[in-house]
Amino acid sequence: AQTVTQSQPEMSVQEAETVTLSCTYDTSESDYYLFWYKQPPSRQMILVIRQEAYKQQNATENRFSVNFQKAAKSFSLKISDSQLGDAAMYFCAYPVGRGSQGNLIFGKGTKLSVKP
Amino acid sequence: ETGVTQSPTHLIKTRGQQVTLRCSSQSGHNTVSWYQQALGQGPQFIFQYYREEENGRGNFPPRFSGLQFPNYSSELNVNALELDDSALYLCASSFRTGYYGYTFGSGTRLTVV
Repeated sequence: AQTVTQSQPEMSVQEAETVTLSCTYDTSESDYYLFWYKQPPSRQMILVIRQEAYKQQNATENRFSVNFQKAAKSFSLKISDSQLGDAAMYFCAYPVGRGSQGNLIFGKGTKLSVKP
Repeated sequence: ETGVTQSPTHLIKTRGQQVTLRCSSQSGHNTVSWYQQALGQGPQFIFQYYREEENGRGNFPPRFSGLQFPNYSSELNVNALELDDSALYLCASSFRTGYYGYTFGSGTRLTVV
């Protein structure tokens, strides 16, 4: 079965510090892509970062970067210089199915708290 | 460029009733997916619509049904509501495969009493 596992239900970080959120997944596909989504109290899922599996280079978006280990099926998110606005639920996800049938499989999420 | 809009934002229904949730997709997107997010869980895929036809379905019973209209907006209908249907229902739009990501709405919070 295709699954996404986020082993950290809750994490806490001091403002301006760095935190890493873990994610492992299981897929038999060779070509796929992975996402990290942020869900603040407003409930809207916001795309944080996207990684294509065929690319060895880790994706980076400003303060957000990933450590993608394809062989280990690991996809962690690093948040540098944490800000109060980073406090939210973070979900790791990847689409299953090919073509127009792709739908996202989500982990259970990690609740990130940022301390001032 | 408008994002994904869902209505209503909150809804309370009685067990056994029927409910319709609505979603307007982001401009330029032709695919709409619906997800159910129970409290403290990640979203679960319900189904996807592409070109007005159901194009993939998750592990949900037939009383969950939907429509997509020519303007790519969509409806989620749930018949014979059960208490376990209480959840946040998220709509996400994308262009075909969602290669560049899926844009989500803020959801409809459904409470069944």
